[in-house]
Amino acid sequence: KAGVTQTPRYLIKTRGQQVTLSCSPISGHRSVSWYQQTPGQGLQFLFEYFSETQRNKGNFPGRFSGRQFSNSRSEMNVSTLELGDSALYLCASSPQRESTDTQYFGPGTRLTVL
Amino acid sequence: GENVEQHPSTLSVQEGDSAVIKCTYSDSASNYFPWYKQELGKGPQLIIDIRSNVGEKKDQRIAVTLNKTAKHFSLHITETQPEDSAVYFCAATGGSQGNLIFGKGTKLSVKP
Repeated sequence: KAGVTQTPRYLIKTRGQQVTLSCSPISGHRSVSWYQQTPGQGLQFLFEYFSETQRNKGNFPGRFSGRQFSNSRSEMNVSTLELGDSALYLCASSPQRESTDTQYFGPGTRLTVL
Repeated sequence: GENVEQHPSTLSVQEGDSAVIKCTYSDSASNYFPWYKQELGKGPQLIIDIRSNVGEKKDQRIAVTLNKTAKHFSLHITETQPEDSAVYFCAATGGSQGNLIFGKGTKLSVKP
């Protein structure tokens, strides 16, 4: 089975712009979670989608949003980019949304905001 | 909310030695504890996990122990090899939200 794929792998944007990141989960996986990874804060949970609905949300401002399509692919959007949004954005998929389900991570999208 | 603390933040060992990384969690409802290895430029890769109905799990050179009473779990790597060098993250999930809460990571260096 192919793993989790994320596109693009690298992005450079300027402050004030918006960006959309894409995630394709492992085939058959229905739950997709997004995480932000920075050197200072580590790995922080952004949100989780299951059956096209946001089921869970972390402590991030409303500039961060996402959606999930009927084929389980997910996108996340960040509007009005700030310098502090520079980070590695990771997507993880799991079969269902049981708390004991293993989450498999993609390679991430490295976002740099100038 | 749930909090996961991980120690040490850096660990340097000689090839062939053992490495131990420890984590504590705060939410007694947590019921799943994965460990991930992250190499430079890559996403976290699951190396082993343990569920709350098990006290210990082993996979070749890697083992994880869980003490639910004390709310801590540990990763043990025996006979370390240079390719074990990476950043290791513990995580806990469960409770009211169910999402993964990660520790801050341990940078393991294995010297040949």
